Amino acid sequence: SQTIHQWPATLVQPVGSPLSLECTVEGTSNPNLYWYRQAAGRGLQLLFYSVGIGQISSEVPQNLSASRPQDRQFILSSKKLLLSDSGFYLCACRVPGGVGQPQHFGDGTRLSIL
Amino acid sequence: SQQGEEDPQALSIQEGENATMNCSYKTSINNLQWYRQNSGRGLVHLILIRSNEREKHSGRLRVTLDTSKKSSSLLITASRAADTASYFCATVRSMDTGRRALTFGSGTRLQVQP
Repeated sequence: SQTIHQWPATLVQPVGSPLSLECTVEGTSNPNLYWYRQAAGRGLQLLFYSVGIGQISSEVPQNLSASRPQDRQFILSSKKLLLSDSGFYLCACRVPGGVGQPQHFGDGTRLSIL
Repeated sequence: SQQGEEDPQALSIQEGENATMNCSYKTSINNLQWYRQNSGRGLVHLILIRSNEREKHSGRLRVTLDTSKKSSSLLITASRAADTASYFCATVRSMDTGRRALTFGSGTRLQVQP
């Protein structure tokens, strides 16, 4: 089964600083990969998804970008963080093929912007 | 707007009682999924019910689906303190790119008192 690694678990950054969150996947090849943001007590907002190396689609316009330099590596970045970028960021993967495949999630990164 | 919306937003019960959470959605679906999230952790897939199924069981979990009412319910029987978590329903939607993505509701926060 798939294992999703996310780091760091917690991050405190000043406004205007850069950001790089990393997600790596084990146990599967060519997965679909996703970045979500979750506000406190709320559901998940899809930020980016990728179906292959170098293929990134964005769901919402924002201050963040994503990259997939390797099959099982998904990176979330920002050049200059805003206060509104605070939140809980979750990476997920899904084995492609079939409509019934669930998503598997990492344990998230809690990002606080000061 | 959210494709899936759960109610109640919060539920507090005593250990041993049953917990019922509901989810409503707007468009037609192929399947509906339920996930669980412990505080500060990623989501864990619990159960998937297909659009041609009306009920599904997994251990102490029972999920129903009423496509005519566009609603689903998750029942946890004989609840335990360890069931304390947030529960989300998720449905698949088509994105502008033609790809599909999961849309999550805002979740039900379940507190099981020992």
